[in-house]
Amino acid sequence: KQEVTQIPAALSVPEGENLVLNCSFTDSAIYNLQWFRQDPGKGLTSLLLIQSSQREQTSGRLNASLDKSSGRSTLYIAASQPGDSATYLCAVGNTGGFKTIFGAGTRLFVKA
Amino acid sequence: GAGVSQSPSNKVTEKGKDVELRCDPISGHTALYWYRQRLGQGLEFLIYFQGNSAPDKSGLPSDRFSAERTGESVSTLTIQRTQQEDSAVYLCASSLWGIQETQYFGPGTRLLVL
Repeated sequence: KQEVTQIPAALSVPEGENLVLNCSFTDSAIYNLQWFRQDPGKGLTSLLLIQSSQREQTSGRLNASLDKSSGRSTLYIAASQPGDSATYLCAVGNTGGFKTIFGAGTRLFVKA
Repeated sequence: GAGVSQSPSNKVTEKGKDVELRCDPISGHTALYWYRQRLGQGLEFLIYFQGNSAPDKSGLPSDRFSAERTGESVSTLTIQRTQQEDSAVYLCASSLWGIQETQYFGPGTRLLVL
């Protein structure tokens, strides 16, 4: 059964720092990997979707990479801002059952 | 256009009662997903609908949970004989064609079972 792990569980950084969030998964038979942010008391907002055939996707200050063979993805956030404070979740789309498996998330706090 | 909507936004019920949660996906989206998020925990996949295909029910935790979808529109998640451990936020998402596509989430229904 697919397992998704996110490290670190929590991260506090000063404004302006570049940072990397990590996601690992145990089964490489995936359709894609998606990064979301979740703000307290709210639903999820999609940030980036990487298909299994792709290596990375970029959107603004965000860059996500995927190494399917090693079961790893990273989300790079450049020049962090207080508005980036949220929980970041990665999710893999499975080819079999349990269509989407989420990691537990990384709670990010960016200090002004 | 409008995003994914869910109702009610909050629901308080007594143990043993049945509840129905509703999800309206983005118009034209053929795929719909239900998830559960317990307090302080990650999202758990419950069920997946795609077009007219048989739903993937592999994430439903027990036979007290069921879901229906009318065509490619509204979906209802039903929890029978609710238990306190069912207390969670229930999130619905939709995507255009299926698992290959970006999922768009609704705001969730916060369920509290007393």
